[in-house]
Amino acid sequence: QIQLVQSGPELKKPGESVKISCKASGYTFTNYGMYWVKQAPGQGLQYMGWINTETGKPTYADDFKGRFVFFLETSASTAYLQINNLKNEDMATYFCAITMDAWGQGASVTVSS
Amino acid sequence: IQLTQSPSLLSASVGDRVTLSCKGSQNINNYLAWYQQKLGEAPKLLIYNTNSLQTGIPSRFSGSGSGTDYTLTISSLQPEDVATYFCYQYNNGYTFGSGTKLEIK
Repeated sequence: QIQLVQSGPELKKPGESVKISCKASGYTFTNYGMYWVKQAPGQGLQYMGWINTETGKPTYADDFKGRFVFFLETSASTAYLQINNLKNEDMATYFCAITMDAWGQGASVTVSS
Repeated sequence: IQLTQSPSLLSASVGDRVTLSCKGSQNINNYLAWYQQKLGEAPKLLIYNTNSLQTGIPSRFSGSGSGTDYTLTISSLQPEDVATYFCYQYNNGYTFGSGTKLEIK
């Protein structure tokens, strides 16, 4: 069955970078694009963008252009989200998803000095 | 497209019929889904394309609507339905509503 397993919780300082992984199994990795969603503590869900797993081309939602990077390690069926120059408002749980009903378990990022 | 959910908090009794609302700032053309999210979990898809029940979801959940106005109905509220419910449009880009937190009275 389809599984998306994300990396563990991260604790970072403002200005640092963080890399979150999303390892896929149970399907052909390049058959589906990988989507990313942010959920700040106690808040709703925010679509961040997606990456075409066939071409590697990322598409970012307007609020996530600049410091956010989507990339792939196709040989390992893994997608990554990297956030550079972390800010307090980046503290959230980040989900990967390939379809409306296949989501990772979420990866939490805490930003604290 | 912006999505406005109401109410933001709903308290109801077990067995009640519960209705949650989602209004779009533009026509969504029925490309509207509903998710249930319990504390510490990923969202779970309940309904897609306005009224299609996702496999494995109890039949007490149903969706309806058209244009800009959509509704999720729980016909008989159960204790395990305590969660936050989000609507999601995929007609023009992708947008989530702000959520309705459902509690048992």
